Amino acid sequence: SQQGEEDPQALSIQEGENATMNCSYKTSINNLQWYRQNSGRGLVHLILIRSNEREKHSGRLRVTLDTSKKSSSLLITASRAADTASYFCATVRIQGAQKLVFGQGTRLTINP
Amino acid sequence: GAVVSQHPSRVICKSGTSVKIECRSLDFQATTMFWYRQFPKKSLMLMATSNEGSKATYEQGVEKDKFLINHASLTLSTLTVTSAHPEDSSFYICSARVQGGPDFYGYTFGSGTRLTVV
Repeated sequence: SQQGEEDPQALSIQEGENATMNCSYKTSINNLQWYRQNSGRGLVHLILIRSNEREKHSGRLRVTLDTSKKSSSLLITASRAADTASYFCATVRIQGAQKLVFGQGTRLTINP
Repeated sequence: GAVVSQHPSRVICKSGTSVKIECRSLDFQATTMFWYRQFPKKSLMLMATSNEGSKATYEQGVEKDKFLINHASLTLSTLTVTSAHPEDSSFYICSARVQGGPDFYGYTFGSGTRLTVV
């Protein structure tokens, strides 16, 4: 399969709570990226973490990367209703074409 | 920032006809573009990598005669779904690779095309 896996596949939480999504991948990577997609729309780039980085922050977002376990997590703190969307991790492999391969995604619903 | 414009956003066509989807880079040159397909509530599946001036590279299982890709200029890649059938109904998204720095690339996405074949 060209895709990794993310869990949970769907997550529903109350506004103000933190949301954590996990992603696993299968190959050696150059970097890992997280994207957001509102229903029926294109993707918006959220954050990129390189293979030699372990943690990165951007506003309310915190991303971790564990290359030994081939996994990453995305934490959204103090969630808002507007954060409701699907979130995908995507990896760029070290070898071969620099193509972006997506995980299965997590559908996040923030309840007001 | 780098912007990719994708058209049309929605198209409905009759079974057996062909549909062309365009993806343009507006303020940068895109030597490489990618085409993805997405089914409802599913992830993006890479269909092919489009390189300017050369033949596209298709992922395993993707019919190259069914999904024709042309990348004739540095700012335009097109995907033509030939002899469309209802099972081709899907959300198609293009992406362009952007030089993001000395050692990595960024990717910018079009807004997608919802194809419905009736």
